[in-house]
Amino acid sequence: GESVGLHLPTLSVQEGDNSIINCAYSNSASDYFIWYKQESGKGPQFIIDIRSNMDKRQGQRVTVLLNKTVKHLSLQIAATQPGDSAVYFCAENSPLYGQNFVFGPGTRLSVLP
Amino acid sequence: DVKVTQSSRYLVKRTGEKVFLECVQDMDHENMFWYRQDPGLGLRLIYFSYDVKMKEKGDIPEGYSVSREKKERFSLILESASTNQTSMYLCASERGQGVSKGYTFGSGTRLTVV
Repeated sequence: GESVGLHLPTLSVQEGDNSIINCAYSNSASDYFIWYKQESGKGPQFIIDIRSNMDKRQGQRVTVLLNKTVKHLSLQIAATQPGDSAVYFCAENSPLYGQNFVFGPGTRLSVLP
Repeated sequence: DVKVTQSSRYLVKRTGEKVFLECVQDMDHENMFWYRQDPGLGLRLIYFSYDVKMKEKGDIPEGYSVSREKKERFSLILESASTNQTSMYLCASERGQGVSKGYTFGSGTRLTVV
């Protein structure tokens, strides 16, 4: 289930189940979005991106969905594995922000054995 | 394998010390960034640079300065370290020309100021 912890929303899923991590972005003019994964003690790593002219993009075991109407982004991870345990961030880029990305607060994904 | 390298993974410094955090990238990227990451506050932009010798303040520049003397190196300087600067510091770089493909991050430097 999903719960809001002291600092970070946490999503707990059983190994093998699918995970869905959500992100509400700020700016309707944002035209490029990225999901990053950050494992404990490491820097964020690029997972998948999507531009605003698309609604869906698939990678290996991951899918990103973009709903521009409600300014919502989601990351779906199929057959979640223990190695997927990490904090996941969405990032948006808009001409209004200049060249810089704005990052969401992150969601911690915990994979249960 | 392309990378952003932060010189230290862990640092412990005393209050009032001048602290240098170094970041080097080997991708010939124009844009470089320094963030700090704190629980509950996410990633906050301290300073960024779009070119050599160019720097711009981010959202929380107070107490920090930066140096970009060479394209591949972007240094963050804490002029007089304070305990509220205890944090995880992340450096990132990005290609500045053409369409963005997002940031490449370093592994981070966890700084403790005592």
